[in-house]
Amino acid sequence: SQQGEEDPQALSIQEGENATMNCSYKTSINNLQWYRQNSGRGLVHLILIRSNEREKHSGRLRVTLDTSKKSSSLLITASRAADTASYFCATLYNFNKFYFGSGTKLNVKP
Amino acid sequence: EPEVTQTPSHQVTQMGQEVILRCVPISNHLYFYWYRQILGQKVEFLVSFYNNEISEKSEIFDDQFSVERPDGSNFTLKIRSTKLEDSAMYFCASLSREGPDEQFFGPGTRLTVL
Repeated sequence: SQQGEEDPQALSIQEGENATMNCSYKTSINNLQWYRQNSGRGLVHLILIRSNEREKHSGRLRVTLDTSKKSSSLLITASRAADTASYFCATLYNFNKFYFGSGTKLNVKP
Repeated sequence: EPEVTQTPSHQVTQMGQEVILRCVPISNHLYFYWYRQILGQKVEFLVSFYNNEISEKSEIFDDQFSVERPDGSNFTLKIRSTKLEDSAMYFCASLSREGPDEQFFGPGTRLTVL
């Protein structure tokens, strides 16, 4: 399967701590994107990193991409209770197909 | 800010009935996609559409499914004879290719097959 896989599947931390989620994939990609989904809701785009980029920042988010290891990580710094959600990575292949990972459920305890 | 819209937000249908899910992509986008998410599971790619034809489809997208862009603004997903296992959230997305290749998702249609 070309689909990305995240780990951990679930993560529970205290407010103020950092949360790190990882994503692995199997073939060459055009880009990798991270999405957030609150329970039963739609997908919110967080950040995109292209295959020729290694790191990107957006507010409290930091994404890294290692194409040699076919992996990416999403770091959320100084987490808040409102960050509680599922986080998915999605990889774009040939501009035709996105594959989503199974997601990491993040629970930030106040 | 431009956004992808989907209608209806919730569709309830009887098994065996046909349903059409509607999406209005962002106006200058050229690539369109449908995904589904069964409750509690991952988001699954169904089909991509470019230049008025399907460019890629998954094994889920069998003969029961079809997509159409009937006019310059709508993008539809038709399920001909719904099954119980078609119950899911269906997300539409569009992409520009001019810029960072970000996919913009609609809010989804929840399909319930009884």
